[in-house]
Amino acid sequence: AQSVAQPEDQVNVAEGNPLTVKCTYSVSGNPYLFWYVQYPNRGLQFLLKYITGDNLVKGSYGFEAEFNKSQTSFHLKKPSALVSDSALYFCAPSAGNKLTFGGGTRVLVKP
Amino acid sequence: DTAVSQTPKYLVTQMGNDKSIKCEQNLGHDTMYWYKQDSKKFLKIMFSYNNKELIINETVPNRFSPKSPDKAHLNLHINSLELGDSAVYFCASSQLFTTEAFFGQGTRLTVV
Repeated sequence: AQSVAQPEDQVNVAEGNPLTVKCTYSVSGNPYLFWYVQYPNRGLQFLLKYITGDNLVKGSYGFEAEFNKSQTSFHLKKPSALVSDSALYFCAPSAGNKLTFGGGTRVLVKP
Repeated sequence: DTAVSQTPKYLVTQMGNDKSIKCEQNLGHDTMYWYKQDSKKFLKIMFSYNNKELIINETVPNRFSPKSPDKAHLNLHINSLELGDSAVYFCASSQLFTTEAFFGQGTRLTVV
């Protein structure tokens, strides 16, 4: 069985400060790892993914994520957060023909 | 051009009724999914289809019956609706299980 944990329900950060959203996972085999973002009353949008190769993955809107195999983590980062980054973020490993989503982390960026 | 479209966007109905939600994707993807998002925003997969064949059924009550008439469509029919079925239902598609999924805007189902 696969699982994913996002330990923080909410992350608050001031605009311009770095943003980190944490994710740890448990899957058998080598996982494909994804981050998605959900804006209010919208569907999820793909941000970035890790398949293989470089542990640092760059994605949309200036986001990046670091894959750490030994810690089974895939934390999402942005060097300088914007107010418009306020949304719900989901980490999702893919294995066994399905994406498994974490509970999501709400990010609130204050001006 | 909407990549993954769901109808209706909102659905309010009484307990015991039967309702359907339609989903269409124009991306040429082989794989389609239904997800349920509860009031706490937790997102859980319900079904996945690949080339019109059911691949995953995640312990969903048999009141829920997906139907895929072709690769571009995956509809969700729900019989005997219950209060606990109230949620937002998302359809999604991807080319493979290992590639990024594209989501519809969701259908907010309210059972009263």
